[in-house]
Amino acid sequence: AQKVTQAQTEISVVEKEDVTLDCVYETRDTTYYLFWYKQPPSGELVFLIRRNSFDEQNEISGRYSWNFQKSTSSFNFTITASQVVDSAVYFCALSEASSGNQFYFGTGTSLTVIP
Amino acid sequence: EAGVTQFPSHSVIEKGQTVTLRCDPISGHDNLYWYRRVMGKEIKFLLHFVKESKQDESGMPNNRFLAERTGGTYSTLKVQPAELEDSGVYFCASSARQDLTGELFFGEGSRLTVL
Repeated sequence: AQKVTQAQTEISVVEKEDVTLDCVYETRDTTYYLFWYKQPPSGELVFLIRRNSFDEQNEISGRYSWNFQKSTSSFNFTITASQVVDSAVYFCALSEASSGNQFYFGTGTSLTVIP
Repeated sequence: EAGVTQFPSHSVIEKGQTVTLRCDPISGHDNLYWYRRVMGKEIKFLLHFVKESKQDESGMPNNRFLAERTGGTYSTLKVQPAELEDSGVYFCASSARQDLTGELFFGEGSRLTVL
C-alpha cells in the first residue's frame, strides 16, 4: 500500500491564483516526519519543508504555507499568488522512525502556472 | 560549495547492456542514498550508505543492481544486465545527519533509458 498519496497528477493555474497541493499519508508510527520537495525543470529535488509528527502548527514562508492535520493524515501545501517560477513537480514525502532512513515519496503533482 | 552531482545526466542503452551511474555527494556527508523514479510513479528508496557501509539495501530490486561506495566518498550504481523495466530517473542524495531530522540534498538525477 502506498504510504504517501498525491491524488492530483497535474494542475494548471493562471498566474496570481492560489493553488493547494494535496498530500495524504499513512503510518502507524507515532514519530515521523513529513516533507515537501520541489523538482524544477533542471531535475534536482529541492527541499522546501520538514515537519515532525509532534508539531501540528501550520507554517508560512513567504507565499508558501503548509497545513498539517493529523486527524485527516494530511499535509497540504498552498502557494499564494502563484508565479510562473512555481511551475515544477512537487513531491510530498514521509519518513518513519520504524523504517530507518527511508523516505516514502508520493507520485508527485505537476504544477503549471500560466502567465 | 558544490551540491550533489550525478553522472551521466542521461544514458540510453540496449537491453542486456551494462550501465554505471555515479554520484558525488556533498563533501563531508557520510550518508548517501540512491532513489529511483520510474515514469509517472513515486520516487522509491533503493539503498543507504553510511560512509562505505551499506546501512540499508532493502529497496534494491534484484541482484542485477550493484551499489558501491569505496572509500566512503563517491558512489556508483551498476545495472547489469539492464532490462526494459530499469528505465527511469535515478536520484542520489546525501545528508550530514543519519537521523530523520536531517535534510536530504538531492542531485539532478541520472535518466536511464533501456531500449
